[in-house]
Amino acid sequence: AQKITQTQPGMFVQEKEAVTLDCTYDTSDPSYGLFWYKQPSSGEMIFLIYQGSYDQQNATEGRYSLNFQKARKSANLVISASQLGDSAMYFCAMREEAGANSKLTFGKGITLSVRP
Amino acid sequence: DSGVTQTPKHLITATGQRVTLRCSPRSGDLSVYWYQQSLDQGLQFLIQYYNGEERAKGNILERFSAQQFPDLHSELNLSSLELGDSALYFCASSPRRGEGAGPQYFGPGTRLLVL
Repeated sequence: AQKITQTQPGMFVQEKEAVTLDCTYDTSDPSYGLFWYKQPSSGEMIFLIYQGSYDQQNATEGRYSLNFQKARKSANLVISASQLGDSAMYFCAMREEAGANSKLTFGKGITLSVRP
Repeated sequence: DSGVTQTPKHLITATGQRVTLRCSPRSGDLSVYWYQQSLDQGLQFLIQYYNGEERAKGNILERFSAQQFPDLHSELNLSSLELGDSALYFCASSPRRGEGAGPQYFGPGTRLLVL
């Protein structure tokens, strides 16, 4: 069964600095996708970045990059040049991409607070 | 704006009642997913529809049901509501499989409070 683990307690970062949010996963499926979503206090779930298990390079989207270490089964999110608006809950999620069922399995999330 | 719409945004009802949550996916997306987010269970997958047909079921209670209509909008029906059903219910949509491993885009959610 798929499993996503996010164990960091609430994270704090100074504005304009970089921060890494940890995510480890477990799956027996050789083909899978890893996602990060942001949930601000308003509640919506915002897609940030995607990494496929067969992608050779780490994914990047603007200030977001994914540090994908397949052998260690980790997919950490790096946010560079933090902004006050980055304060939110961040969820790591996985999708097994073989078969018709493409549900996302989520971790428990990490709260990030950006200090001015 | 993800392009996924959900109504209503907030819903307050009493135990034992029945409610219907509505979702319209992004234009062109055939798959619709429903998720429940609660403090104790986190984000849990409930059910998936693809082009009108049920594709996968997760931790969905028998008191809950869903359907996807020919115009691809979906409804989640929650009946015999209990206090523990209070949660944020999300709908998400994604493109047809085979057109790339795209992400799921989430609607703004319906916040349900059962009193």
